[in-house]
Amino acid sequence: DAGVIQSPRHEVTEMGQEVTLRCKPISGHDYLFWYRQTMMRGLELLIYFNNNVPIDDSGMPEDRFSAKMPNASFSTLKIQPSEPRDSAVYFCASSFYGGPVNTGELFFGEGSRLTVL
Amino acid sequence: GEDVEQSLFLSVREGDSSVINCTYTDSSSTYLYWYKQEPGAGLQLLTYIFSNMDMKQDQRLTVLLNKKDKHLSLRIADTQTGDSAIYFCAESISNTDKLIFGTGTRLQVFP
Repeated sequence: DAGVIQSPRHEVTEMGQEVTLRCKPISGHDYLFWYRQTMMRGLELLIYFNNNVPIDDSGMPEDRFSAKMPNASFSTLKIQPSEPRDSAVYFCASSFYGGPVNTGELFFGEGSRLTVL
Repeated sequence: GEDVEQSLFLSVREGDSSVINCTYTDSSSTYLYWYKQEPGAGLQLLTYIFSNMDMKQDQRLTVLLNKKDKHLSLRIADTQTGDSAIYFCAESISNTDKLIFGTGTRLQVFP
């Protein structure tokens, strides 16, 4: 299996622009998570899905952030409009039946490094 | 609230043991985990411990769990330069499928 695939790996944009990050989870996995990593705050859970349905989006910073999972093999995280404080590495992770509570393992992508100027 | 705390940095000499500590908040967590992040990469599961265990050993890794103090530690024996990475402690939040991570401890191993 190719693992969790994220794109783009790097994105540099200007303040006010729309940013879309993409994720392809591992085939057969039924949970998908979006995390954000910064030096100051570490790894924060933004939102997670089970069977394509958003379960908990309490970590989404504000209305500028939105996430969708239209099917089992694709998810997007969108920031509109982007701000310099959104600069971070955004990770997507997936896991299979029972989620991390049962299996204990999230499979992470390599991350999308976002820089907002 | 949900919070996992770790120290930010640890520096050790090659061949010595490393001990990375973590405190967590959810006393009902079923599992506690250690993940490793190498430069420019995502996190990978290193090991985990079930909450009814006190200790788990896996080759050079030893995990100790003190449920009373909500304290988790990871000991790496005979630390090698290849062990240099960021190590994240994580707890599963009871009654959810959420996994909450600490800030990560950056381990630097010098010759």
